[in-house]
Amino acid sequence: AQTVTQSQPEMSVQEAETVTLSCTYDTSESDYYLFWYKQPPSRQMILVIRQEAYKQQNATENRFSVNFQKAAKSFSLKISDSQLGDAAMYFCAYRRRSGATNKLIFGTGTLLAVQP
Amino acid sequence: DTAVSQTPKYLVTQMGNDKSIKCEQNLGHDTMYWYKQDSKKFLKIMFSYNNKELIINETVPNRFSPKSPDKAHLNLHINSLELGDSAVYFCASSQKAWGSYGYTFGSGTRLTVV
Repeated sequence: AQTVTQSQPEMSVQEAETVTLSCTYDTSESDYYLFWYKQPPSRQMILVIRQEAYKQQNATENRFSVNFQKAAKSFSLKISDSQLGDAAMYFCAYRRRSGATNKLIFGTGTLLAVQP
Repeated sequence: DTAVSQTPKYLVTQMGNDKSIKCEQNLGHDTMYWYKQDSKKFLKIMFSYNNKELIINETVPNRFSPKSPDKAHLNLHINSLELGDSAVYFCASSQKAWGSYGYTFGSGTRLTVV
């Protein structure tokens, strides 16, 4: 069974600084998708960024980028120029490519605090 | 227009009661899901429907029964509520049951059983 591990329960960053959130996963599949979701205090789950395993190029969305290391099964999220609005719980998630019942599997989350 | 809407947002009820949570999506997606987020914020899938057909049914007590009258709606009915059912329940949808599509989530229903 696939698992997703986030080893940092909490992180803190100063406003305008850069922070990296870690995620590792375990799978025997060769083709899959990885996601980072953000959950602010409002509770809404927001998709931050997505990576396709067959693409070597790391995904980037404005201030958010990932470091995808397929051999190491690592998928970290880098937030540059951190803003107060980035404070939230961040979840790493995995989804198989094939099969009709491939569900999104989440890690346990990292709570990010942004200090002014 | 809200893409995935859940009602109610908050639900407080007594042990033993029966309650329902409703979910509707206006994105034209084929697949809908129910996830449970526990007090430690862990998100776990409960059910998934694809075009009204149940395709995922995780190990969930049979007091929980999903119903999908059409592909835009997925409801969750819970019988004989227990204290341990207290959690946030999220509805989500995706364009297809497979592939690179991320999920669009509703804003969640916080269920408190007293």
